[in-house]
Amino acid sequence: GQQLNQSPQSMFIQEGEDVSMNCTSSSIFNTWLWYKQEPGEGPVLLIALYKAGELTSNGRLTAQFGITRKDSFLNISASIPSDVGIYFCAGPGGTSYGKLTFGQGTILTVHP
Amino acid sequence: SQTIHQWPATLVQPVGSPLSLECTVEGTSNPNLYWYRQAAGRGLQLLFYSVGIGQISSEVPQNLSASRPQDRQFILSSKKLLLSDSGFYLCAWSVQGQETQYFGPGTRLLVL
Repeated sequence: GQQLNQSPQSMFIQEGEDVSMNCTSSSIFNTWLWYKQEPGEGPVLLIALYKAGELTSNGRLTAQFGITRKDSFLNISASIPSDVGIYFCAGPGGTSYGKLTFGQGTILTVHP
Repeated sequence: SQTIHQWPATLVQPVGSPLSLECTVEGTSNPNLYWYRQAAGRGLQLLFYSVGIGQISSEVPQNLSASRPQDRQFILSSKKLLLSDSGFYLCAWSVQGQETQYFGPGTRLLVL
């Protein structure tokens, strides 16, 4: 089945630093989704990408749909303590019922 | 706007006891519905999905079952809980034919 490799697995950064994480797929995707999960809560959709090469921003977050359609990147600029959480990438699971394939997540810790 | 609710938020149950977790969606009709389990704050494991009332598909063999008695209600159940059933249970919904899923706040289950 389809697999997503997300890296890094965890990041420990200082407040104000920029963050970059990525996700690669074993197959071509036509959608990439990025979610953030804060401790004890459900994942929240940050950015959705639908076109190869697409670059989309949401405040300090920027995500890109790789031109090969097998990867995606999420960048966070000028990190703040509330950026702490787990970031997941996700893509279509190859079914008709909307199943998603998720990456294993990147745990982000921001030190003030 | 659409909202998704889960209850209870937290549950502590003894081994061998029954389980019933409820998920309801408001503001949409005929959604796809999903149950996930998340262990140790990482990886989302899809347990069940439903494309309509009474239509349930299981992704992995397990001690749990799901039901969809109404269009926007999804229930996760067990007759006898195991220690290994402990985890964070997430319900999600999507529009039929679309990949983007929206998650509920989750239920933390601890089986002792």
